[in-house]
Amino acid sequence: DQQVKQNSPSLSVQEGRISILNCDYTNSMFDYFLWYKKYPAEGPTFLISISSIKDKNEDGRFTVFLNKSAKHLSLHIVPSQPGDSAVYFCAALNTGNQFYFGTGTSLTVIP
Amino acid sequence: DGGITQSPKYLFRKEGQNVTLSCEQNLNHDAMYWYRQDPGQGLRLIYYSQIVNDFQKGDIAEGYSVSREKKESFPLTVTSAQKNPTAFYLCASRGGLGQGGRATHFGDGTRLSIL
Repeated sequence: DQQVKQNSPSLSVQEGRISILNCDYTNSMFDYFLWYKKYPAEGPTFLISISSIKDKNEDGRFTVFLNKSAKHLSLHIVPSQPGDSAVYFCAALNTGNQFYFGTGTSLTVIP
Repeated sequence: DGGITQSPKYLFRKEGQNVTLSCEQNLNHDAMYWYRQDPGQGLRLIYYSQIVNDFQKGDIAEGYSVSREKKESFPLTVTSAQKNPTAFYLCASRGGLGQGGRATHFGDGTRLSIL
């Protein structure tokens, strides 16, 4: 049972434009959310996180938005750069510190 | 620099053979994890350990075994009982709130293939 879902397996965006990656979850016990970036043959790298008591967290070009009523979070990258091309995973932690990953979205930024 | 080291980067297994993947961390994290990634799929949890000398099965533990004799080390053995071992294996660790937050840190992975 996939409790964290990324329904778009891939996304293509023009360089300089905004990339929006989406993630939905089903478990209301999740209280912490994270985004990871992964290049081929490498481990995921932590990007940004958000606690369930917030609805927005910003770090440079990356902003994560959380809509708890919709059980939805999104990662905005602006402006998008070719080096952002990678697979992005969202992840969620419940209050018991159990970790759940989404299936990933492959982002391609076109120069 | 602190981090997680996985070795080897590439590993080949013969039929009926057990192989062990190494994972070492110097982040002083209590929790360590093994995930498997298959093409087009997300990360699936194999085993995890919250503390030394204790570990728990994840979602796909069959055909795998682990040990946690030291805080820094969490080796994964892929046994001959694992019928489809070809995958990319990721080791991870995570500290508690007092150990740098709840973010999980990953190694660079080991790609296992069958000869």
